[in-house]
Amino acid sequence: DAGITQSPRHKVTETGTPVTLRCHQTENHRYMYWYRQDPGHGLRLIHYSYGVKDTDKGEVSDGYSVSRSKTEDFLLTLESATSSQTSVYFCAITAGDRENEQFFGPGTRLTVL
Amino acid sequence: RKEVEQDPGPFNVPEGATVAFNCTYSNSASQSFFWYRQDCRKEPKLLMSVYSSGNEDGRFTAQLNRASQYISLLIRDSKLSDSATYLCVVNMPNSGYALNFGKGTSLLVTP
Repeated sequence: DAGITQSPRHKVTETGTPVTLRCHQTENHRYMYWYRQDPGHGLRLIHYSYGVKDTDKGEVSDGYSVSRSKTEDFLLTLESATSSQTSVYFCAITAGDRENEQFFGPGTRLTVL
Repeated sequence: RKEVEQDPGPFNVPEGATVAFNCTYSNSASQSFFWYRQDCRKEPKLLMSVYSSGNEDGRFTAQLNRASQYISLLIRDSKLSDSATYLCVVNMPNSGYALNFGKGTSLLVTP
């Protein structure tokens, strides 16, 4: 158990509304990530963070922003949700002896109507 | 071209069988390789890291061929509980340890 929680676990929202997903970790890991998983695509990186206030874009970052004001929290915001952002969102951290093994939170299932 | 390619399956095998999954990756600068397991509607879980010399963890054996950019996973003596999707994963160079995932290979072990 890597001590990662995500909230909410499920959310249904309407097109055009803002949505914020939260990832919380309890073990002071430096690197945190947001991925989305869709049928036929596998997991794809949205954004990642390498420290407080230090973030960078992944391959599918359009329409998403992130913030990391504390080590333990990494927030993903959809400023104006679209139906194409219906997906399962996973947060991850790196840990382990080699510091590049990633461990995932339980996921947030988001539906945009 | 997808960075990590896997046969999606499904692989349907009887209990006790040996099954092998293969994967290829396109970025020769990748340095870290993994197999993850994902159960239906759950998060991916690290099964094993893959080392250049090959490595074994119980019934699971992983191999890496850097020259061919090819990774394999062998499962011996399959159990019903091995039924899952197996994800081949490779690091993204220069992206803070971020990972590229294959789409996964589905395994169903039957009694």
